[in-house]
Amino acid sequence: SAVISQKPSRDICQRGTSLTIQCQVDSQVTMMFWYRQQPGQSLTLIATANQGSEATYESGFVIDKFPISRPNLTFSTLTVSNMSPEDSSIYLCSGVGGRVLNTEAFFGQGTRLTVV
Amino acid sequence: KNEVEQSPQNLTAQEGEFITINCSYSVGISALHWLQQHPGGGIVSLFMLSSGKKKHGRLIATINIQEKHSSLHITASHPRDSAVYICAVLTSGSRLTFGEGTQLTVNP
Repeated sequence: SAVISQKPSRDICQRGTSLTIQCQVDSQVTMMFWYRQQPGQSLTLIATANQGSEATYESGFVIDKFPISRPNLTFSTLTVSNMSPEDSSIYLCSGVGGRVLNTEAFFGQGTRLTVV
Repeated sequence: KNEVEQSPQNLTAQEGEFITINCSYSVGISALHWLQQHPGGGIVSLFMLSSGKKKHGRLIATINIQEKHSSLHITASHPRDSAVYICAVLTSGSRLTFGEGTQLTVNP
């Protein structure tokens, strides 16, 4: 099974700044996703990271606020731009792949972001 | 109705007790995952299930595909098991849908 390393594990940032979160997979996964967990809420899909093209965003999330890159099959970044305290959340990346196509999911460790 | 529902939402136990957390889902899935979220927010994948039962140490996970139900059991619970336990289902469209989580507190 694949292992996903997500960095940083936590950060405290000033409002108005941006933070880039990285996920590195140790083997190829077919698809990669980014999720957000606001305080007291369940994990919600932000976007699907597409290799070599623009990410596909869910309703309520826009590229200007959450630019995503996926230059190859094993690496993706999520940037939280122009942060405000409302962006304080846990951000999680996941990958989907497996020996039988897309039947296994793999998870990063999560990034706890606090905006002050 | 959410596609993935967990019960209970909160669970308090005494050290040594046997614990069960339940997950029901209403969609077709290719796999179900149990995750553990530590108080600091860090997430660890515990199990991936597509059928039957898996065991790892004091943790046991079962799934009944026909009934669309999974359970996570913790035997001989310990205060270090205190965490949020999250059920997530992987659908045929490669989407993950997460339950709202079960907050477990194990008191010494």
